[in-house]
Amino acid sequence: ELKVEQNPLFLSMQEGKNYTIYCNYSTTSDRLYWYRQDPGKSLESLFVLLSNGAVKQEGRLMASLDTKARLSTLHITAAVHDLSATYFCAVDRGTSNSGYALNFGKGTSLLVTP
Amino acid sequence: KAGVTQTPRYLIKTRGQQVTLSCSPISGHRSVSWYQQTPGQGLQFLFEYFSETQRNKGNFPGRFSGRQFSNSRSEMNVSTLELGDSALYLCASSLPSYGYTFGSGTRLTVV
Repeated sequence: ELKVEQNPLFLSMQEGKNYTIYCNYSTTSDRLYWYRQDPGKSLESLFVLLSNGAVKQEGRLMASLDTKARLSTLHITAAVHDLSATYFCAVDRGTSNSGYALNFGKGTSLLVTP
Repeated sequence: KAGVTQTPRYLIKTRGQQVTLSCSPISGHRSVSWYQQTPGQGLQFLFEYFSETQRNKGNFPGRFSGRQFSNSRSEMNVSTLELGDSALYLCASSLPSYGYTFGSGTRLTVV
């Protein structure tokens, strides 16, 4: 069974500060995804990481993937209040024969305060 | 480009009833998967369909079922509803190597 662990689960940070959210997974995979969820809303895709060493950046967020360490990070630079949300990482090990399924972490609830 | 459309957005049902949720994927996407989100269990995979065939299934009781039509639209059905089935049900459509796009979800409340 593929297990996905995120930490921290709760994060309160001041505006302007930097922080990193970690996502570890238990079984080899080279497909990892980051999503954002606002309260009462659906999942918004942030990053799709499909190979070892992949790094993607969008605004104040940067995600990376190390498949050998089974680790992805989501780095937040100079946080602003608009980044307050819950962030999920998800891993997919499927194939076209066995089908696909996302295994999600528990999510990191981020609150950015003045 | 239209996104993933889920209907209805909200549902209130009584224990013992059954419910059908609908999902229309992004045009051209043939894979549709369903997920349940609850505060206690988080996001859990229900099943995945491709070209009208269920390719993968999560660890849910047989009361949860689904199907996919030739136009890739998918439905999921929950029979004999229980209070614990109250959740946000999310549908995602995907293409290989392009990730998953989620619909707005159906919030089901069982009373």
